[in-house]
Amino acid sequence: NAGVMQNPRHLVRRRGQEARLRCSPMKGHSHVYWYRQLPEEGLKFMVYLQKENIIDESGMPKERFSAEFPKEGPSILRIQQVVRGDSAAYFCASSPVGDRRTGELFFGEGSRLTVL
Amino acid sequence: GESVGLHLPTLSVQEGDNSIINCAYSNSASDYFIWYKQESGKGPQFIIDIRSNMDKRQGQRVTVLLNKTVKHLSLQIAATQPGDSAVYFCAERGSSGGFKTIFGAGTRLFVKA
Repeated sequence: NAGVMQNPRHLVRRRGQEARLRCSPMKGHSHVYWYRQLPEEGLKFMVYLQKENIIDESGMPKERFSAEFPKEGPSILRIQQVVRGDSAAYFCASSPVGDRRTGELFFGEGSRLTVL
Repeated sequence: GESVGLHLPTLSVQEGDNSIINCAYSNSASDYFIWYKQESGKGPQFIIDIRSNMDKRQGQRVTVLLNKTVKHLSLQIAATQPGDSAVYFCAERGSSGGFKTIFGAGTRLFVKA
């Protein structure tokens, strides 16, 4: 049973380019969460999505960042016109349901973005 | 802003000793707490969780204690092993609504052989 799959694992972009990070949740999971982690820091919540819906995007910058989780295919975190401050590890997590009785998130190995 | 924080950024223990990692939270409405372990270059892994209606929960070699009076959470690791070396995050869910999990800054645990 494959875990959460993220790709690419490493991505290098120049300032002004676009970055697209992909996340395939665990089989049977319909909820996806994106987090950003700077070196030696904790994980900052960005966005929570269900299939075709954004549930909570309170942690995502209003400009240049967008996320989607289409009916078919992986969830995509898109960063337009990247700046050096976007350099970070971006982690995706999934959960089977949004049931508040459960809480465990299953994380991928992360995508490390470096902006030159 | 973040409602979960940690007392110490690093902790060094001798192999075989017990480790205690502490965490403070600020929102008394938090109803669910989780500890995650993150090894270098990897994603966080769930260790143990506890709900606000409990004071203590035990797993395999790990125990989580919750003190709601002082808004304090701790993770105890018994007989610490080299494989326990990692960054440990406490996280909470519930105070800000929805299902998002809010993470603290993390404590790096070093295990000396």
